[in-house]
Amino acid sequence: DAGVTQSPTHLIKTRGQQVTLRCSPKSGHDTVSWYQQALGQGPQFIFQYYEEEERQRGNFPDRFSGHQFPNYSSELNVNALLLGDSALYLCASSLVLGASYEQYFGPGTRLTVT
Amino acid sequence: AQSVTQPDIHITVSEGASLELRCNYSYGATPYLFWYVQSPGQGLQLLLKYFSGDTLVQGIKGFEAEFKRSQSSFNLRKPSVHWSDAAEYFCAVGASTNAGKSTFGDGTTLTVKP
Repeated sequence: DAGVTQSPTHLIKTRGQQVTLRCSPKSGHDTVSWYQQALGQGPQFIFQYYEEEERQRGNFPDRFSGHQFPNYSSELNVNALLLGDSALYLCASSLVLGASYEQYFGPGTRLTVT
Repeated sequence: AQSVTQPDIHITVSEGASLELRCNYSYGATPYLFWYVQSPGQGLQLLLKYFSGDTLVQGIKGFEAEFKRSQSSFNLRKPSVHWSDAAEYFCAVGASTNAGKSTFGDGTTLTVKP
């Protein structure tokens, strides 16, 4: 059973460009969350997708957008890239089971903006 | 608003010594609490979680954590540290009503001396 997978592993972009990151959730999971982890910090919640809709959003500008497909995979899009967008972007999938849940994280995509 | 504080940015212990990593949280309802470990360049791996019940929870790799509601703490412990435990450790708090949206602390980096 493959866990959460993300692509690409690394990415280098120039300021002002746009980027798309991809995530496939763990088998059987229906919810995908995206996090940004800047160097030396903990992950910060960007948004969450469930049933192909954005359900929750963290404190990130509209330049950050996403999509979830019918097979539960997801994309994160960032427009008009800034130097400050350089970070590790983590995808996590989850499933509510009764009264508890767990998140499973992918290995992340390292985005460098120059 | 929920928040997590990990007071120790960096901890160094000798191999075989005991370990305690501190975590304090702020949350308005019953918290779901997690500890994750992250090795360099990797995603996050769940060590253990607390939802309810016994306040002492056991996790993988010999780790345990104790939930203390009166102190708003969820400290991680291990009786005997191995060199392979060197990594960054993150405490997180999540909502019982939202599987996947968690707030993380900024992490504690653990160095293990031979």
